[in-house]
Amino acid sequence: GENVEQHPSTLSVQEGDSAVIKCTYSDSASNYFPWYKQELGKGPQLIIDIRSNVGEKKDQRIAVTLNKTAKHFSLHITETQPEDSAVYFCAAVSGGSYIPTFGRGTSLIVHP
Amino acid sequence: GAGVSQSPSNKVTEKGKDVELRCDPISGHTALYWYRQSLGQGLEFLIYFQGNSAPDKSGLPSDRFSAERTGGSVSTLTIQRTQQEDSAVYLCASSFLSYNEQFFGPGTRLTVL
Repeated sequence: GENVEQHPSTLSVQEGDSAVIKCTYSDSASNYFPWYKQELGKGPQLIIDIRSNVGEKKDQRIAVTLNKTAKHFSLHITETQPEDSAVYFCAAVSGGSYIPTFGRGTSLIVHP
Repeated sequence: GAGVSQSPSNKVTEKGKDVELRCDPISGHTALYWYRQSLGQGLEFLIYFQGNSAPDKSGLPSDRFSAERTGGSVSTLTIQRTQQEDSAVYLCASSFLSYNEQFFGPGTRLTVL
């Protein structure tokens, strides 16, 4: 089955800096890669996703890049703000399956 | 509109007791998922419902776990003879179609003493 590795487990940055979270996956048939943000005491919320026919996608301060050859994808947050502090999860969904495999999460801390 | 709701928000039970956790998905969403999240861990898939199809139970950790979805809407996750290792946050998610954005509920925090 699919295996998703996520790094780092903790990321601490100063407000205004950029943050990058990286994930690798094992199943070359995976073709959908969502990213979720989970705030304390809440369920995860989708912030951006990318499908395998696209190499990069941006939404304001957030971008995701996908390298299918290397089987890795990354989340980039620019101009970080304290409200970006949360746990971020990457996931991969294999073609023909509707069940995402999640990474273990990255706790992002943005210091004012 | 209303999001995914789960009840109870917290449940404390004694080892060996049965518990039922409820999920109300967003109206019209055909796909429903249950996950388990242990402290500091990612989301562990438990079970997936899609419309009237047979559920995918491949993630259930033991036969003490079961789930049903009535009328294609509300779902109940049942854990029989709870054990301390069952303590976790149980999350429910729904999506309009499979292979699309999942909308998560706030979760039920289960503590087994």
